[in-house]
Amino acid sequence: SYELTQPPSVSVSPGQTANITCSGDFLGDKYVCWYQQRPGQSPVLVIYQDTKRPSGIPERFSGSNSGNTATLTITGPQAMDEADYYCQAWDDSTASFGGGTKLTVL
Amino acid sequence: QVLLQESGPGLVKPSQTLALTCTVSGGSITSGTYYWNWIRQPAGKGLEWIGRYYPNRNNNYNPSLKSRVTISEDSSKNQFSLMLTSVTAADTAMYFCARGREPTAFDYWGQGILVTVTS
Repeated sequence: SYELTQPPSVSVSPGQTANITCSGDFLGDKYVCWYQQRPGQSPVLVIYQDTKRPSGIPERFSGSNSGNTATLTITGPQAMDEADYYCQAWDDSTASFGGGTKLTVL
Repeated sequence: QVLLQESGPGLVKPSQTLALTCTVSGGSITSGTYYWNWIRQPAGKGLEWIGRYYPNRNNNYNPSLKSRVTISEDSSKNQFSLMLTSVTAADTAMYFCARGREPTAFDYWGQGILVTVTS
């Protein structure tokens, strides 16, 4: 199966920028989505097709994807952004998720 | 607004079959625009895609579970279902149903249902 690798944790101060990476073979050739999951809640789609934000997702969330790495960027994170983040991509009609990254807003 | 709701037993005995249903409101599951997925998450761990019902196309399953999984649909009730056979403690997890939108995104999720495999 297709493997996606994320760092287990990322810490950031509110005034900074958080970058969460997702790595996979030739990932840049695939569409990547990102999901936010707060404790006890269902995942929420925050980025799809590498860079697009669904309606209702704040502009501080953005995404990029090139080469073997996709990145979720949160500019000026807020306390409410503290959550687990998962990347996801499709390979040969099978969906794969990264292991998840816990974002801590200090 | 699209709503998904999982239902089924919260306890399953080892070696038996786990059976869950997802009821969809706010849209037809037979619309070819979307596909309908099962995803699970063991406590404290990450997400694992189980498989999908894709109207007018073949279903797809996670290769690691394919031999034990069947996803079916009941269009008259606007539901789709998961059957997972020969369960073990490793199948204990929160099970989510989710709508998939081309080309790749899971844009609506149910609240999830906790299934525990225990004798």
